[in-house]
Amino acid sequence: QSALTQPASVSGSPGQSITISCTGTSSDVGSYDLVSWYQQHPGKAPKLMIYEVSQRPSGVSNRFSGSKSANTASLTISGLQAEDEADYYCCSYAGSSTFWVFGGGTKLTVL
Amino acid sequence: EVQLVESGGGLVQPGGSLRLSCAASGFSFSNYAMSWVRQAPGKGLEWVSTISSSGAGIYYADSVKGRFTISRDNSKNTLYVQMNSLRAEDTALYYCAKGDKSPRQLPDYWGQGTLVTVSS
Repeated sequence: QSALTQPASVSGSPGQSITISCTGTSSDVGSYDLVSWYQQHPGKAPKLMIYEVSQRPSGVSNRFSGSKSANTASLTISGLQAEDEADYYCCSYAGSSTFWVFGGGTKLTVL
Repeated sequence: EVQLVESGGGLVQPGGSLRLSCAASGFSFSNYAMSWVRQAPGKGLEWVSTISSSGAGIYYADSVKGRFTISRDNSKNTLYVQMNSLRAEDTALYYCAKGDKSPRQLPDYWGQGTLVTVSS
């Protein structure tokens, strides 16, 4: 069982918006603004999409945005495109003992 | 361009050992924390270990503590993990990941991974 809870799957049609939640605890997501989101296409390495809750790396589309409220972080993808179909993982710093925790991943299907 | 190339994976028997390497290029290796993250077949990502830029700070997941040893050679721009007493549940694709100046910061670049299979 993963430390952070994500929905197993979400889906949306091209052009629509979807949001993926990532629920942790007051020991990880709720305590640190160190939450990242990764996109992983089949057979490929993870790619950083959002860091520090809401920051977007250079080169990542502004259709991707992140936010956090209490112990839950969220990734929103607007204007869904076929190439967005992938697995998405959240990750949070969780203190010096546990260090990093990942969510179980969410499979995004673009209908 | 940041490049991380893992090597050293393979088939090993339970109880055996393996050392993975990660050759880094395209950034000032000695200034950044580095980590290993693994992914079992068909499963999600699992953090394994992180080492600070100088090597002074080292962190392990409970699942590998006492069996795995992370290290780095800043003169060779290379990250390592020595894996001992391997178990079937260690079977996974092992990714090398680049961090930031602080070890707490989550990774920004990942290698393509090297596969470790523990089986008799």
